[in-house]
Amino acid sequence: GAGVSQSPSNKVTEKGKDVELRCDPISGHTALYWYRQRLGQGLEFLIYFQGNSAPDKSGLPSDRFSAERTGESVSTLTIQRTQQEDSAVYLCASSLLGLAGPPYNEQFFGPGTRLTVL
Amino acid sequence: QKEVEQNSGPLSVPEGAIASLNCTYSDRVSQSFFWYRQYSGKSPELIMSIYSNGDKEDGRFTAQLNKASQYVSLLIRDSQPSDSATYLCAVIAGNNRKLIWGLGTSLAVNP
Repeated sequence: GAGVSQSPSNKVTEKGKDVELRCDPISGHTALYWYRQRLGQGLEFLIYFQGNSAPDKSGLPSDRFSAERTGESVSTLTIQRTQQEDSAVYLCASSLLGLAGPPYNEQFFGPGTRLTVL
Repeated sequence: QKEVEQNSGPLSVPEGAIASLNCTYSDRVSQSFFWYRQYSGKSPELIMSIYSNGDKEDGRFTAQLNKASQYVSLLIRDSQPSDSATYLCAVIAGNNRKLIWGLGTSLAVNP
């Protein structure tokens, strides 16, 4: 079946512009996750959705970052007034159940969106 | 102390050897543990999940979990050059609110 998809695959923007990144999870997966990975760095957890609610938003780096999810479907990560330090690969993952649902909490990743802020 | 720690490597092994990758974690009540492989420029790919103490085998891969020692490892038997990648250990926090990642161990399998 289809895996997690993300769009766009690459995004180049100018400092101060807003960007929207989209994630389509695996069909039937109730949980969806956003991560950021800067070049040569580890994965940084941003937010996770169980259905369309987010139990923990504390991973979002600043109030310029927001995310929403429609039902158990597509999610959008929005970055307002982008800064150069926002340049990174933004990864989305989904799992059948949420973090508290072993053994169905395995996360499967999309290919990522590479964001470059000039 | 970092929440999830891995040796950064690089770990270099000859083709056909066993590669042993280690990970320690700080949250004593964590229940879910994962190993991912990440090739350069690609997204992480799940290799193994493990939830109970002991060993779990899948093909050439064996995950080992010891909750008392807060230690999880990944063994790769008959290592192949295509196994050369960064291996990421991830642990779900005890409060089930986030997945915490190690920084990864770089593995190089030499022909």
